Amino acid sequence: DIQITQSPSSLSASVGDRVTITCRAGQSISNYLNWYQQKQGKAPKVLIYAASSLQSGVPSRFSGSGSGTDFSLTISSLQPEDFATYYCQQSYNTPYTFGQGTKLEIK
Amino acid sequence: EVQLLQYGGGLIQPGGSLRLSCVASGFTLNSYAMSWVRQAPGKGLEWVSSLRPSGSTTYYADSVKGRFTISTDNSKNTLFLQMNNLRAEDTAIYYCAKTSTRSTGGCLDSWGQGTLVTVSS
Repeated sequence: DIQITQSPSSLSASVGDRVTITCRAGQSISNYLNWYQQKQGKAPKVLIYAASSLQSGVPSRFSGSGSGTDFSLTISSLQPEDFATYYCQQSYNTPYTFGQGTKLEIK
Repeated sequence: EVQLLQYGGGLIQPGGSLRLSCVASGFTLNSYAMSWVRQAPGKGLEWVSSLRPSGSTTYYADSVKGRFTISTDNSKNTLFLQMNNLRAEDTAIYYCAKTSTRSTGGCLDSWGQGTLVTVSS
């Protein structure tokens, strides 16, 4: 199984801040890395697919980068609606493992 | 508009069986890979199972292999998850999700609303 290590597990930030969340895969997964946002009590929503492609309808303040084993999600200027939990997921090989999640909270 | 509407779930005793349904609209189920993902209370997301179009190939997490079966009824544009021999650790919200491609290696670009399965005596 491909292990995915996501960090940090939680993060406090202010509106307007730039934040970065990282995921590291236990082996190379090329660009088969997706990022999801989940708000409390709601289903997840895809933000970034294939490591760096912005899903349609997602604000451009979200961006993804990386390939191989190291990936990151950056929010360039936090908005109030961005406070949520974020997950990365590898779709290179089954089982399609998720990271542990990063809870982004208001400072 | 793509929509996934889930049915089923509820309280079931250990060892029991349950079938979850996920009715798709706005797209043809037969054209995309589909998946189930679960989330235990207060925990993260866990991939459960995926299926290629036409049910040609299925994949399962080790934790459910041999107990859960993913399938589709294309005439009803509906995805199913048959869950047998349920255990307390299967307690979770279960989400169905559409993959962006025919291959299961795409992202999960549309999700159902989720349904809670509680396994308890």
